[in-house]
Amino acid sequence: GAGVSQTPSNKVTEKGKYVELRCDPISGHTALYWYRQSLGQGPEFLIYFQGTGAADDSGLPNDRFFAVRPEGSVSTLKIQRTERGDSAVYLCASSLTLAGVGGELFFGEGSRLTVL
Amino acid sequence: AQTVTQSQPEMSVQEAETVTLSCTYDTSESNYYLFWYKQPPSRQMILVIRQEAYKQQNATENRFSVNFQKAAKSFSLKISDSQLGDTAMYFCAFEDGTYKYIFGTGTRLKVLA
Repeated sequence: GAGVSQTPSNKVTEKGKYVELRCDPISGHTALYWYRQSLGQGPEFLIYFQGTGAADDSGLPNDRFFAVRPEGSVSTLKIQRTERGDSAVYLCASSLTLAGVGGELFFGEGSRLTVL
Repeated sequence: AQTVTQSQPEMSVQEAETVTLSCTYDTSESNYYLFWYKQPPSRQMILVIRQEAYKQQNATENRFSVNFQKAAKSFSLKISDSQLGDTAMYFCAFEDGTYKYIFGTGTRLKVLA
């Protein structure tokens, strides 16, 4: 497709389980971002990739969260031992512009995670 | 740390009327970028308008325009001739040239028929 694709659209899991959220960015976009959006809040930065490497993962809340982008395209956000507080919409965005030039972010529709 | 503040959680406007959404930000940088993103109920965020801080001229995109006051660190969005399709959450965002985009808490806009 032409846009950023995220799967699954919705995920319901039980406390303590492991989940993976996938993001397929726009072809050719080198920059990829993960954001978390809690109910009634704005997107909160989690991690940024430039190519295959995580240029900044300072937004990851703790070591239960991890993200990879092994071939510089598709990225997976992994959450271990999920907690109810992890419930949120996880947004992925990609950008063609290199860091530092205020380029437009193209967002996917997000993955809504519900931890029971 | 940079912060973005949107002090209007909800607003409404009659169709065809004009509405202004407020945004203030805090930074010690002199060059940066400001954005307004729209998030309809479908959840996908879409760029509405973008402003480069070193440009004094306010950005415009059709019915959307901004009032950028650099000294006051204010960046408001004006929507003219409001349409039902403008109903959405609107987020103000800031990027200081280091890749990290900081978003405000959003303003929920409802356009009334």
